[in-house]
Amino acid sequence: QKEVEQNSGPLSVPEGAIASLNCTYSDRGSQSFFWYRQYSGKSPELIMFIYSNGDKEDGRFTAQLNKASQYVSLLIRDSQPSDSATYLCAVTNTGNQFYFGTGTSLTVIP
Amino acid sequence: DAGITQSPRYKITETGRQVTLMCHQTWSHSYMFWYRQDLGHGLRLIYYSAAADITDKGEVPDGYVVSRSKTENFPLTLESATRSQTSVYFCASSTVAGGPQETQYFGPGTRLLVL
Repeated sequence: QKEVEQNSGPLSVPEGAIASLNCTYSDRGSQSFFWYRQYSGKSPELIMFIYSNGDKEDGRFTAQLNKASQYVSLLIRDSQPSDSATYLCAVTNTGNQFYFGTGTSLTVIP
Repeated sequence: DAGITQSPRYKITETGRQVTLMCHQTWSHSYMFWYRQDLGHGLRLIYYSAAADITDKGEVPDGYVVSRSKTENFPLTLESATRSQTSVYFCASSTVAGGPQETQYFGPGTRLLVL
């Protein structure tokens, strides 16, 4: 079982819609959760981190964490073509090891 | 402010050769990391370092060697390259590992092809 699981996609949404990206993790003791964005041919860049149950909002982005269900998600409101990228979920587990999911490819259609 | 740089950006080598990938950061971050990124596997941690002269294995360390004699440099060596080591290699750094303040900053990557 992988430490972090994501649907690889591709996920396509029309411009202006809400994009919902999901991630599950296997280590119930995981403490910190991150969402990175990676454009094609570029390096990952951090969008948000979350470590408490509930929602955390930053502009058009909302991270949601449910530790009981071992589930973390990223919502992108008012999606723009510039949001088209691969989104990587990452988790720090109880051993302080940092694991990335394989990423979900998002395409926002103008 | 260069941030974090990697060299070379592209490398072609042959099976059995030794290859060293360089990583340099100007932020004086304590932690540095090496990842490889492959289709279907995502980013996988090879080695990381908490400080100069302190290194530890990640998820896929076999066939790789690291050193960290200075805080700002973290070279990754493939002692005898194999085709399975064809990948994109990313170096990253952060001030704190394993905590909510952790933000890993990634270098631009090195694309390695082993023939």
